[in-house]
Amino acid sequence: EVQLVETGGGLIQPGGSLRLSCAASGFTVSSNYMSWVRQAPGKGLEWVSVIYSGGSTYYADSVKGRFTISRDNSKNTLYLQMNSLRAEDTAVYYCARENYGDYDYWGQGTLVTVSS
Amino acid sequence: EIVLTQSPATLSLSPGERATLSCRASQSVSSYLAWYQQKPGQAPRLLIYDASNRATGIPARFSGSGSGTDFTLTISSLEPEDFAVYYCQQRSNWPPVTFGPGTKVDIK
Repeated sequence: EVQLVETGGGLIQPGGSLRLSCAASGFTVSSNYMSWVRQAPGKGLEWVSVIYSGGSTYYADSVKGRFTISRDNSKNTLYLQMNSLRAEDTAVYYCARENYGDYDYWGQGTLVTVSS
Repeated sequence: EIVLTQSPATLSLSPGERATLSCRASQSVSSYLAWYQQKPGQAPRLLIYDASNRATGIPARFSGSGSGTDFTLTISSLEPEDFAVYYCQQRSNWPPVTFGPGTKVDIK
């Protein structure tokens, strides 16, 4: 059974850093495209970043230069390092397995709140 | 970036009724459009991919149609568990993928 479990969210001050983790089971992270998608409170879905099976990475303009996506193949885990956090980064962050641009499996999400 | 618009913003219907949701793209996305369902406190769930293909385990009452810039999600007869928010998403020339703002289907 495919499962994705995100951890690492919490309350952080503006300018701070946080690293989110997404532990996968039932499939191999490194053999798939993996994405982070976020949802601000009461708002819609926003794609954040993707890492391809070959290792290429892409970012939304809103997070480029501040966020870094990576993976640990030995742990079958996806990460999102978030630096220079802003109030507008407040959201539930989901990791999702991408299947040619569609998302067939999602984690339950982890809430990141950026506030002083 | 391709912008998706969804209409209506809210659809108030009764169980057993037919729901028709619309998604329009700012430029052609061919058939590279998906639909997701999201219930409160839950992650989105993939319903339809490539405009008209049901994802694994999705009931036959959900169907998708369209190509180019205009797409429709139809729920033939609403079940109580279908009241939720529905998002469309395009993957033409991704990344980035983009999502529509959502249509809420609520109980009349």
